[in-house]
Amino acid sequence: QITLKESGPTLVKPTQTLTLTCTFSGFSLTTSGVGVGWIRQPPGKALEWLALIYFNDDKRYSPSLKSRLTITKDTSKNQVVLTMTNMDPVDTATFYCAHKSITVFGDAFDTWGQGTMVTVSS
Amino acid sequence: ELTQPPSVSVSPGQTASITCSGEKLGDKYVCWYQQKPGQSPQLVIYQDRKRPSGIPERISGSRSGKTATLTISGTQAMDEADYYCQAWDDFTAQVVFGGGTKLTVL
Repeated sequence: QITLKESGPTLVKPTQTLTLTCTFSGFSLTTSGVGVGWIRQPPGKALEWLALIYFNDDKRYSPSLKSRLTITKDTSKNQVVLTMTNMDPVDTATFYCAHKSITVFGDAFDTWGQGTMVTVSS
Repeated sequence: ELTQPPSVSVSPGQTASITCSGEKLGDKYVCWYQQKPGQSPQLVIYQDRKRPSGIPERISGSRSGKTATLTISGTQAMDEADYYCQAWDDFTAQVVFGGGTKLTVL
């Protein structure tokens, strides 16, 4: 059974850097075709993809946020970390991490974490 | 960008259809997620028409050119949720989500 869980601060101040950790189980991020993505959702709004990292350390970022995002993995800890710099109140959202297997589900995220709400406020 | 109607209403037992269109869909597969209030999104359709394990047969997907459609037959109150389509955009090298459709079962 695949599970993912996001962790990090619930409140950050404007201009600070947000660091979120996705801790997963039930799969390995060394398996061919496997990836973990980050997606956010402002309150009452739509989903927005942020970043994606694959088993081979291939990384993809949302073009509009690329300058502020960094995604890394630690396969020994079964973790994926997302950092987002220069946080602003408009970045207030629930952040999700999700599993992807190209070989099984193609471009879809088949399993999602419970999400973590991050508020940006002074 | 992927375009979805903001809302769709359906009577219980009837069929609901939600469309997702995009000029750059091309030959890229579309997938669909269901999100109920306070919950994480759940994958209900991938690669245009395939259902993950546990998704009922009354939820189906189809594709015609640059428009994908999610169809829910025999709609039930439990189907009331937000639905999002998603695809990979080769041109901009990014994952793209539709704006979401709120399905209301009247």
